[in-house]
Amino acid sequence: DAMVIQNPRYQVTQFGKPVTLSCSQTLNHNVMYWYQQKSSQAPKLLFHYYDKDFNNEADTPDNFQSRRPNTSFCFLDIRSPGLGDAAMYLCATSREFAAASNQPQHFGDGTRLSIL
Amino acid sequence: GQQLNQSPQSMFIQEGEDVSMNCTSSSIFNTWLWYKQDPGEGPVLLIALYKAGELTSNGRLTAQFGITRKDSFLNISASIPSDVGIYFCAGRLSNYKLTFGKGTLLTVNP
Repeated sequence: DAMVIQNPRYQVTQFGKPVTLSCSQTLNHNVMYWYQQKSSQAPKLLFHYYDKDFNNEADTPDNFQSRRPNTSFCFLDIRSPGLGDAAMYLCATSREFAAASNQPQHFGDGTRLSIL
Repeated sequence: GQQLNQSPQSMFIQEGEDVSMNCTSSSIFNTWLWYKQDPGEGPVLLIALYKAGELTSNGRLTAQFGITRKDSFLNISASIPSDVGIYFCAGRLSNYKLTFGKGTLLTVNP
């Protein structure tokens, strides 16, 4: 059974039209991550939530926002998508706590975003 | 910042051959992870390594955490067509963020 679930798997939006991608998890992990992955490249971290605390990467454009209404769900909002935002967006989770700070991240299957 | 050098960038092999790929870093990591990504899918964790010198197997896959904590390798024995995909190494320190290698694209000819 899928433990990190991303919806939709494919999303097409128009240039400049806001779009929201969703991620849910059944692992009860306290950290959730959003990555952007372009063709033939490694995943690039955009931001993450450690519990309710939002942590933005320094080079993540302001166009990208995130919400985490509860432990299980996390959303990626792209306010005004440009052609350069076409990519695979990956959600990941991990369980982090003081006694075990080296847990691996588990990824969803991603949402492939296309911009028209 | 930390950077990972993953090699080779791509490999073309015959079914049944063994494969080896590795990652090196300019700085140390506390954990090394190996992921496989199929086209259109998310990365799937293959092996996690937590201690310097650790050698871990998962079926036909074997990975080692280098003694210096700056490198790791992944071996695949007796490759099969479904081994095709992109293999990523990733290292992490205690801040739980991952640093990814650029990936190794593996093609297996039946």
